[in-house]
Amino acid sequence: GAVVSQHPSRVICKSGTSVKIECRSLDFQATTMFWYRQFPKKSLMLMATSNEGSKATYEQGVEKDKFLINHASLTLSTLTVTSAHPEDSSFYICSARVRIAGGLFTDTQYFGPGTRLTVL
Amino acid sequence: QKEVEQNSGPLSVPEGAIASLNCTYSDRVSQSFFWYRQYSGKSPELIMSIYSNGDKEDGRFTAQLNKASQYVSLLIRDSQPSDSATYLCAVWGPYNTNAGKSTFGDGTTLTVKP
Repeated sequence: GAVVSQHPSRVICKSGTSVKIECRSLDFQATTMFWYRQFPKKSLMLMATSNEGSKATYEQGVEKDKFLINHASLTLSTLTVTSAHPEDSSFYICSARVRIAGGLFTDTQYFGPGTRLTVL
Repeated sequence: QKEVEQNSGPLSVPEGAIASLNCTYSDRVSQSFFWYRQYSGKSPELIMSIYSNGDKEDGRFTAQLNKASQYVSLLIRDSQPSDSATYLCAVWGPYNTNAGKSTFGDGTTLTVKP
């Protein structure tokens, strides 16, 4: 399958600082990447869809000024948590969309390993 | 009604048994269906995809899709303790559009007891 990397894997920061998380597709070009967050023992929550060269599409209830997404190239999307607070502590996971052509296009989604953010 | 529903479990099976995981979805135009496995503290890992009605087998895993009933399932044969994880059902739609995205169920936690 396609490989997606994330950096950093774990970050601890003080309240009020900003944290940038990088998501890279290593062996393919990803025109679309997704950002999720997951609280312990809870389901994945889609935060936003990131399309290369255009503004991200945020899900309802997600503050776009707090969670800045940039998809500057076909292999890199970044999520910046601005002015982080303890309630932003969570597991942030990116994924990349792969389109497989085989008569009919099919879409598959591969996940990065995730970034665990702890805000003190 | 949730868009993608799964039994939350936990589902417990003895080692060597067949584990059966079920998922129903509400959007009839959905075209692509996936099963992910997520170990505690890790990100989801794709284990099966299915796009057509019927069965699809890959090793010990079999995915079954019935679009008329809006139902997709995952069977794990010869279950091993290492299969203990949360299994997420995902439905992709709308088909073949840039607006497509996955909707995930809440997951079923499977425990395989030695």
